[in-house]
Amino acid sequence: KQEVTQIPAALSVPEGENLVLNCSFTDSAIYNLQWFRQDPGKGLTSLLLIQSSQREQTSGRLNASLDKSSGRSTLYIAASQPGDSATYLCAVMIKAAGNKLTFGGGTRVLVKP
Amino acid sequence: SAVISQKPSRDICQRGTSLTIQCQVDSQVTMMFWYRQQPGQSLTLIATANQGSEATYESGFVIDKFPISRPNLTFSTLTVSNMSPEDSSIYLCSVLSSGNTIYFGEGSWLTVV
Repeated sequence: KQEVTQIPAALSVPEGENLVLNCSFTDSAIYNLQWFRQDPGKGLTSLLLIQSSQREQTSGRLNASLDKSSGRSTLYIAASQPGDSATYLCAVMIKAAGNKLTFGGGTRVLVKP
Repeated sequence: SAVISQKPSRDICQRGTSLTIQCQVDSQVTMMFWYRQQPGQSLTLIATANQGSEATYESGFVIDKFPISRPNLTFSTLTVSNMSPEDSSIYLCSVLSSGNTIYFGEGSWLTVV
């Protein structure tokens, strides 16, 4: 059974500092990995999708890497801003399991002005 | 991308009653899913909504408690039956779109009193 873990559970940084969020998964037979952002009282917003054949994806200040063999992904957010404060969730998809997502517990981020 | 609308966005329900949540997508999608997010927790998959046939439920979720309909490729409903305070959660609809990206609705926040 696939298990997804996110460390740390919470993170507080001063504005301008780079953020590093970690995600690990136990079964490397994934189809893709997706990072989401969730603001309080809101649903999930898709940030980045990395296919199993890719090693990283970039969008603006966000960069996500994937090391399938070691079961790890890292989300980097450069030059953090107070607006980056949210919970960040990673999820893996296993095609053989019907395209379902297995989620990590999330990392709650606070960027202090 | 896919735009997903969920109704209701919030509700306060009496113990023992049932509530139906609607999910409408702006385009035809092959796969629709229902997730639950309990307070302070990550997301757990309830079931995959199958068009024209019975939903596929995950371990720990049963049809009598969470009946699901999917009459076409753009619409699904989830009913939470005979509610108790333990059912107080966010219920999220999600769809599989092009590129195997998963998109989520804004969620339906249910409080059972």
